[in-house]
Amino acid sequence: IAGITQAPTSQILAAGRRMTLRCTQDMRHNAMYWYRQDLGLGLRLIHYSNTAGTTGKGEVPDGYSVSRANTDDFPLTLASAVPSQTSVYFCASSDSVGGGEQFFGPGTRLTVL
Amino acid sequence: GQNIDQPTEMTATEGAIVQINCTYQTSGFNGLFWYQQHAGEAPTFLSYNVLDGLEEKGRFSSFLSRSKGYSYLLLKELQMKDSASYLCAVNNGDYKLSFGAGTTVTVRA
Repeated sequence: IAGITQAPTSQILAAGRRMTLRCTQDMRHNAMYWYRQDLGLGLRLIHYSNTAGTTGKGEVPDGYSVSRANTDDFPLTLASAVPSQTSVYFCASSDSVGGGEQFFGPGTRLTVL
Repeated sequence: GQNIDQPTEMTATEGAIVQINCTYQTSGFNGLFWYQQHAGEAPTFLSYNVLDGLEEKGRFSSFLSRSKGYSYLLLKELQMKDSASYLCAVNNGDYKLSFGAGTTVTVRA
């Protein structure tokens, strides 16, 4: 692993199903973030984590949950997917909370039908 | 809330210069970032300004005026590979970045 990885690359999901998007970084960064990117709206923060064991809500947290059991992993869970959650999801990490450059994963394209 | 504005689209000719403006109104300020994003790919870091003035990095430069809530990204000697979206993002001091919607730059031959 080099940098930050996400899985799956893409997924088609039936509405009402549960889905976990995975994110792993090997840079030992303290802070991690989940964004969704929709046409015309740019990147919007869903949840973030300042350090292992802590999480916080971003701009659009409803319908999503996260956990941060260790430094490297930051999964995003959709408990019951809805069509409005169709989007491209990016995970990111940074060495210092908020103040440093954020490194982005390759993204997960999610379609909820 | 946070308000970050940048033009939706810009078109320029190969070899020319393009300036992408970004204005912001945020609850706090702890630096402004510019990211480049090619279609279907992840954003990648271009520049960071926290003090007023111009930061130059090769063909790309970024300017910040905190009193005016204004920044611009200057792309010189445009190349076809510079066709991408350019994202302005503000660290508002509470450990999170707020992004503008992005400016799609198309470079024509």
